[in-house]
Amino acid sequence: KAGVTQTPRYLIKTRGQQVTLSCSPISGHRSVSWYQQTPGQGLQFLFEYFSETQRNKGNFPGRFSGRQFSNSRSEMNVSTLELGDSALYLCASSTRLAGQGELFFGEGSRLTVL
Amino acid sequence: AQTVTQSQPEMSVQEAETVTLSCTYDTSESDYYLFWYKQPPSRQMILVIRQEAYKQQNATENRFSVNFQKAAKSFSLKISDSQLGDAAMYFCALKGGKLIFGQGTELSVKP
Repeated sequence: KAGVTQTPRYLIKTRGQQVTLSCSPISGHRSVSWYQQTPGQGLQFLFEYFSETQRNKGNFPGRFSGRQFSNSRSEMNVSTLELGDSALYLCASSTRLAGQGELFFGEGSRLTVL
Repeated sequence: AQTVTQSQPEMSVQEAETVTLSCTYDTSESDYYLFWYKQPPSRQMILVIRQEAYKQQNATENRFSVNFQKAAKSFSLKISDSQLGDAAMYFCALKGGKLIFGQGTELSVKP
């Protein structure tokens, strides 16, 4: 069974640009959640989607957005990139809402903003 | 607001010995879940152990066990018979409404 797949794995952008990250969950998983990991702030919850609906949202500005498609694949978008957006972005999938079931993480997308 | 605090940024243990990682939390939810996740260097994060708050019995998974003190809001992880492969960053996490992670504890295992 394929694991959680995140693309791209690495990317470099400049300030002001936008970026879209993709996450394909494990087959059958309906929950996808996103996290930002930085050395200073640790792991911070961005948002969670379940059956195409956003169920929870973290404390991030509106520049961070996401969506989930009918096949459970999810994308997150960051517009008007800032230097502080440089981070490892992790996606996790689950059969139930995050925390009620085991989370399965992808390897992450490492974003560098110059 | 929910918070998770891991007060030990780094820990070290000798192979085959036992180590305990600390975690305290705060939540106003009456029903919640607690987790320990492991993130090996450059590898995916995986679940180590899970505890439902309504269960008084401490969870155990092979060499990994927790000491869940609900009144004290404490959730420590004990690793017995430490192995080199246990070296990783360990995150304590709380799910009440949202899933919140602690800052992590980096565990090194000395041969």
